[in-house]
Amino acid sequence: DTGVSQDPRHKITKRGQNVTFRCDPISEHNRLYWYRQTLGQGPEFLTYFQNEAQLEKSRLLSDRFSAERPKGSFSTLEIQRTEQGDSAMYLCASSLVGNTEAFFGQGTRLTVV
Amino acid sequence: GENVEQHPSTLSVQEGDSAVIKCTYSDSASNYFPWYKQELGKRPQLIIDIRSNVGEKKDQRIAVTLNKTAKHFSLHITETQPEDSAVYFCAARADDKIIFGKGTRLHILP
Repeated sequence: DTGVSQDPRHKITKRGQNVTFRCDPISEHNRLYWYRQTLGQGPEFLTYFQNEAQLEKSRLLSDRFSAERPKGSFSTLEIQRTEQGDSAMYLCASSLVGNTEAFFGQGTRLTVV
Repeated sequence: GENVEQHPSTLSVQEGDSAVIKCTYSDSASNYFPWYKQELGKRPQLIIDIRSNVGEKKDQRIAVTLNKTAKHFSLHITETQPEDSAVYFCAARADDKIIFGKGTRLHILP
């Protein structure tokens, strides 16, 4: 599969626990984006990378959220001390530099109980 | 930062009729406007996009128009079919960041 892949597909965690999600972009794509989507809403921008550099983080992203892309390939998104309000679908997308299509992964659905 | 407004939030059209979804954006620097379709439980997928140097683009039953002066862009689906039922998102790209609207749930009525 040469598309964007995310792991895990589903995660159920207890409030207060830490979780980490992984995204593998399309191999030649240097841009990688993280979004959060809740039911009935559009994807909400969280952060994005160009190669290994994190270029912007949303003001909505609390200090409990951190993302990395250490070698400019796969990326991880960690949420510390999860809260029920963190329950959502976390989507990763990748693209080439410039005004080109962003391809989405299938997402990781997080449920905090 | 960029803000994208989309309406309507829900749209029902008779099969065979046309559907129009409208979006506005705030950042005049935005220069790329993709539209995504998301079926239930699936990832968003690009259906058409338009760049700021073009006013209209068409691909079979789907067309997009862009009015840069008014900061409006619209999606037009003609001869709607049952498989067009889905949620549609408009988006705008400025400073390499893609910002999405809240989506339009399109129902195609038999």
